[in-house]
Amino acid sequence: EPEVTQTPSHQVTQMGQEVILRCVPISNHLYFYWYRQILGQKVEFLVSFYNNEISEKSEIFDDQFSVERPDGSNFTLKIRSTKLEDSAMYFCASSEGPAYGYTFGSGTRLTVV
Amino acid sequence: QKEVEQNSGPLSVPEGAIASLNCTYSDRGSQSFFWYRQYSGKSPELIMSIYSNGDKEDGRFTAQLNKASQYVSLLIRDSQPSDSATYLCAVNTYNAGNMLTFGGGTRLMVKP
Repeated sequence: EPEVTQTPSHQVTQMGQEVILRCVPISNHLYFYWYRQILGQKVEFLVSFYNNEISEKSEIFDDQFSVERPDGSNFTLKIRSTKLEDSAMYFCASSEGPAYGYTFGSGTRLTVV
Repeated sequence: QKEVEQNSGPLSVPEGAIASLNCTYSDRGSQSFFWYRQYSGKSPELIMSIYSNGDKEDGRFTAQLNKASQYVSLLIRDSQPSDSATYLCAVNTYNAGNMLTFGGGTRLMVKP
């Protein structure tokens, strides 16, 4: 069964550093997303991406964050100048379209120290 | 502000019983509804989708939707200990932004 692949599975970074989280969506999916889940809290929407541009973003997705699809397969989330409160599980997801459920990757656990 | 509400639980049921999980949503324009299962430390896994009023059955799972009451439910028949997980309700109002809004989840515990 097709899957969404995320790397790395764990990332520890010092406060103020930049991190890049990587995702390979399912190949025939057109819509890509980043969500995060702080330990014990809700899965929160960050950003959606379609046709090589951001289609929606949440209030969380401020200038500290950016997304990119550098080639035909990868989808990245960059977090600049990380803060302690950025520590969370970050999930990439993809879907065939807005009416379809998302397939989530296994996540990257980001710890900012 | 789109809200999706779930009772956090835990909901405890004996093995073999029916587990009933409920979800309400605030946006009357919502069009797609999903149930995800999330094991501790893992990513959400899609188990059911429903788009129109009524019931939809898939194996031991039945999703129920009532748009007038803005209510979605998931029934799990013959509950197994392996069903113990957090169940997330997610709603998509794709004419008002293409993203899923998740509830906080209900933790289900199935006791042998």
